[in-house]
Amino acid sequence: DSGVTQTPKHLITATGQRVTLRCSPRSGDLSVYWYQQSLDQGLQFLIQYYNGEERAKGNILERFSAQQFPDLHSELNLSSLELGDSALYFCASSAETGAGYTFGSGTRLTVV
Amino acid sequence: GDSVTQMEGPVTLSEEAFLTINCTYTATGYPSLFWYVQYPGEGLQLLLKATKADDKGSNKGFEATYRKETTSFHLEKGSVQVSDSAVYFCALSTSSNTGKLIFGQGTTLQVKP
Repeated sequence: DSGVTQTPKHLITATGQRVTLRCSPRSGDLSVYWYQQSLDQGLQFLIQYYNGEERAKGNILERFSAQQFPDLHSELNLSSLELGDSALYFCASSAETGAGYTFGSGTRLTVV
Repeated sequence: GDSVTQMEGPVTLSEEAFLTINCTYTATGYPSLFWYVQYPGEGLQLLLKATKADDKGSNKGFEATYRKETTSFHLEKGSVQVSDSAVYFCALSTSSNTGKLIFGQGTTLQVKP
């Protein structure tokens, strides 16, 4: 157990739908990062939150949004889902920037 | 922009063979460098890291040295085991304040008994 918890582990949904992925960071970590892993794009950074505030944004689509709550857990919302959104979504947390990350086991999203 | 390039896989080795997975990077400033490993069906685990030039990261028999002159961070292991079969990712974190990781495309290692 890495200490970073992601739920659900698997999600199957239809095109056009909306889903929410949840991440609880390791105890004490203030930064949360979201990554998308797909076969053709590899691991892509989506967005980072630090202590509740957005810190950096990467290749995140406008249909996607995220937030970090006062208890530091984070949610990634994916809407108007397309087949191409099928991927593994990883959350990671860190105690300080640049110090390395602890990854969760991921949520596998399948859009049908 | 900042980027990481890894040797293409898959890499197939026999048990006890020597492993090298090449990684080169392009970055402004002085990045920190990482190797992560992903076993089938699991998330990424930090294998080793180096934060400045000439640093050597090591863990579980794996080593990598931060070479600024060649912008490289090659992963090596003297004797691989079947249990080392996994996907290996080289990554960098820039010296900016964002802390995000930029990953290479990953290299699949398969070790045969």
